[in-house]
Formats: sequence, C-alpha cells, structure tokens
Amino acid sequence: GEDVEQSLFLSVREGDSSVINCTYTDSSSTYLYWYKQEPGAGLQLLTYIFSNMDMKQDQRLTVLLNKKDKHLSLRIADTQTGDSAIYFCAEIISASKIIFGSGTRLSIRP
Amino acid sequence: DGGITQSPKYLFRKEGQNVTLSCEQNLNHDAMYWYRQDPGQGLRLIYYSQIVNDFQKGDIAEGYSVSREKKESFPLTVTSAQKNPTAFYLCASSITPSGRSNEQFFGPGTRLTVL
Repeated sequence: GEDVEQSLFLSVREGDSSVINCTYTDSSSTYLYWYKQEPGAGLQLLTYIFSNMDMKQDQRLTVLLNKKDKHLSLRIADTQTGDSAIYFCAEIISASKIIFGSGTRLSIRP
Repeated sequence: DGGITQSPKYLFRKEGQNVTLSCEQNLNHDAMYWYRQDPGQGLRLIYYSQIVNDFQKGDIAEGYSVSREKKESFPLTVTSAQKNPTAFYLCASSITPSGRSNEQFFGPGTRLTVL
C-alpha cells in the first residue's frame, strides 16, 4: 500500500546542516512536499518538488529527490533555533489524496 | 488577510457528547479537508470535500460527520461513536483539485480533549 516513512527524531548543533530523510512507496506521485509544524500550530508548506526534478534549492533549503530509490531529503543549511519543529514529508497521489509521513522532530542544541 | 481559521483552539468534551469543530476559509478554495493528528503519527484524513454540497470519507471517517453547505465553511462533528476522540484536529483547503499542484493550506488546529 501507500506509505511514507521518516525517522522520528533528529538533533543537530546550531550552525550545522540538518538533513531530514523520507522514503515513499507510490511511484505515481506528482509532487512531494515538505511541511513544517511548530508546537501547537498547523502545518506550513516549506517547499515542494515536482516528481520529474532531482533537486530544488530555496535559500537555506535544498530538496533532493532520488526517484529510483523513492527517497526524498530536506537539507537545512546553517540550522538556527527557529528551525526547531516537526517536519513532515508528504506525497501527492491524486488531487484529493496526500500521504503524510509521521514527522521528524528536529531539535537544536547550542 | 486570506487564510483558514479554526475554532476553538482548545475544546473539552465529556464522554458521550457530540462536539462540532469549526473551519472557515476566505481563500476562495474549492476543496477542504479534515485531518486528525496523534503524537508520533502523521496526519490521517477524516473527510474531504471538493465542492459545495459534496464530501467524501477519508481513511478514518467512522465516528465523524461533516457538512459543506457553503464554500467557506466545512464543520466537523465528532460524535459519541468515535471511540478515541482526543487528538489534534487540522483543517486544510486547496485550490480546485484540477489545479496544477495541490498545495494544502492549513489552519492552526483544534486540540480536543475528552474528559
């Protein structure tokens, strides 16, 4: 069946790069999204990548897509305390169906 | 400002009571969604609506009901039949599903606690 998997926790030192990984199973996806959720809040779209792209860069964010391995990653350069949040990978299956991963909680240590 | 609002932010309910969560959007989006979020889990789709007066069950619709009488509003009722209703509920909307991408915009969420 359709599934999106992420590791639950990641801890990085302030100023280092964070890399959050995600694997998905459905090869028919059109878009893959990264959402950020701060405590007690809704989800905020960070970036997305179209399934025929390999890489997308947006300021401190770099998304890499390996379609053959069904692997998606989000790299945050120069991680700051404000980046502490839960990051969700999501796969767009159809216009009405999005499969979310379980989220990766990113914590920043000084 | 355009956006999605959910109310209330926190809601407490006694067992056996029905409760309705509000979701309103002024983005002129056709599609609206309700998700449930539990700790350590991703979002699970409860119901979605692509147009007014039409809605479809998601993956975990049992114990929930919705209505879509207006484009801007998609209230969710958590009924007494829902066995484990304590959770964080998120509403989202998106431009008509036939659009180029399906970016969903999320509201701030309602945390429901059953006492």
